[in-house]
Amino acid sequence: AQRVTQPEKLLSVFKGAPVELKCNYSYSGSPELFWYVQYSRQRLQLLLRHISRESIKGFTADLNKGETSFHLKKPFAQEEDSAMYYCALYNTDKLIFGTGTRLQVFP
Amino acid sequence: GAVVSQHPSRVICKSGTSVKIECRSLDFQATTMFWYRQFPKQSLMLMATSNEGSKATYEQGVEKDKFLINHASLTLSTLTVTSAHPEDSSFYICSARPPSGSRYEQYFGPGTRLTVT
Repeated sequence: AQRVTQPEKLLSVFKGAPVELKCNYSYSGSPELFWYVQYSRQRLQLLLRHISRESIKGFTADLNKGETSFHLKKPFAQEEDSAMYYCALYNTDKLIFGTGTRLQVFP
Repeated sequence: GAVVSQHPSRVICKSGTSVKIECRSLDFQATTMFWYRQFPKQSLMLMATSNEGSKATYEQGVEKDKFLINHASLTLSTLTVTSAHPEDSSFYICSARPPSGSRYEQYFGPGTRLTVT
């Protein structure tokens, strides 16, 4: 069955520290994976997608098929990065979301 | 950018009554809209996919007679929770896919918090 797992509910770091939000998936085939972000009192929005191999707001995510992971990384966290982050898998016209990780960046 | 609105943002209703939630795409036409449900500190769970002019496709375990979805126009989909019970209290989020976008592209509404007393 297709599944997305985000093992950490909360990740707290200080400003300037590196950040890695973990995401593991279960999927038979070539996955299409995404990271969504929800800032406080705002709606869910797409942060980045694996297929474009882009860096958005300093965040990158690399698909590792061997480890079935799609971890989100940023070398130096900023306070404005504090938000809820969801990893998602696209399958048959649907998005399957992980449970999300709340990132808190302290000054 | 593509904007999706929901109305109301929050609603409180009594057990046994029905409540309707609207999802509108404000600046684009959406042939497909999605309805999600989110419990506190849990993930978004897809409830159904709504296609304009046709019946919605419900996910396994979602009662279609309880959660009525109507997608009567290219900019509006509605979710009606019928005979609501306290266990239906949740955060309901819709999203819309622009016709010219990628197949995975979805723009999300701000959500509606339903509380059934």
